[in-house]
Amino acid sequence: GAGVSQSPSNKVTEKGKDVELRCDPISGHTALYWYRQRLGQGLEFLIYFQGNSAPDKSGLPSDRFSAERTGESVSTLTIQRTQQEDSAVYLCASSPGQGRHEQYFGPGTRLTVT
Amino acid sequence: AQTVTQSQPEMSVQEAETVTLSCTYDTSESDYYLFWYKQPPSRQMILVIRQEAYKQQNATENRFSVNFQKAAKSFSLKISDSQLGDAAMYFCASTTYNFNKFYFGSGTKLNVKP
Repeated sequence: GAGVSQSPSNKVTEKGKDVELRCDPISGHTALYWYRQRLGQGLEFLIYFQGNSAPDKSGLPSDRFSAERTGESVSTLTIQRTQQEDSAVYLCASSPGQGRHEQYFGPGTRLTVT
Repeated sequence: AQTVTQSQPEMSVQEAETVTLSCTYDTSESDYYLFWYKQPPSRQMILVIRQEAYKQQNATENRFSVNFQKAAKSFSLKISDSQLGDAAMYFCASTTYNFNKFYFGSGTKLNVKP
C-alpha cells in the first residue's frame, strides 16, 4: 500500500515569507508526528497528533510554527515569517496506534530559507 | 524529558564483518521503549529494531540485534555480516509508554567497505 507522502519535496523561500508543508499519512493511522532535522543532526520532535485528542505541541520552537490535522487524515505544518535558522528537513511520520506504535516516515521536505 | 546520546559520529566496517553502534539514554520513566532507525541518503527513515524496556530478552531481527543493559541505560546495535546496503545514518531513539514524543540521538554514520 501507499506509504507516508510529503509535499513539496523541496522548498526554497525568502526570509520573512510563510510556508506550508503537507503530510499525507498512511490510511487508518491514528497518530502523526512532525520532526525537524537540521543538517548533520538528529530528529527534533515538533508536534504529535493522536486521533481527535488535543495535539502535543510541546516541541514547537516558537509561535511562528503551527500545525493542523483534520481527523486522521492530512496534516499541514505552517511556518510564518520564515528565518534562515528554519532551514532544515521536515519529516512526518504516522503510526497505527491501537497498541502498535512503530513509526512510518515520509521522505521529508527540505526547506531552504534564503 | 529523556535524552539519547550517540557518542560515535562515524564508524566503518568491512563487508561481512560485525560492527556495534553505541547508544546511551537517560530517563526517569519506568516504562519506555527504545528503537534503532536507519536513514540512507534517500532520507527515508526505516525502523531497524525495537526493544521494550520491560523485556529482559534482547531483541533480534535477522542480522540486527541489540544489547540492552537497563541498569547502565545502554542500548547498542550489533550488525552481523555487514552488507553494502547497510551503509547509512543510524539513529537511536526512545519514547515513553504513551508514545507521544520520541527522542532521537545525533546519529552514527556507518560506512561499509567492500
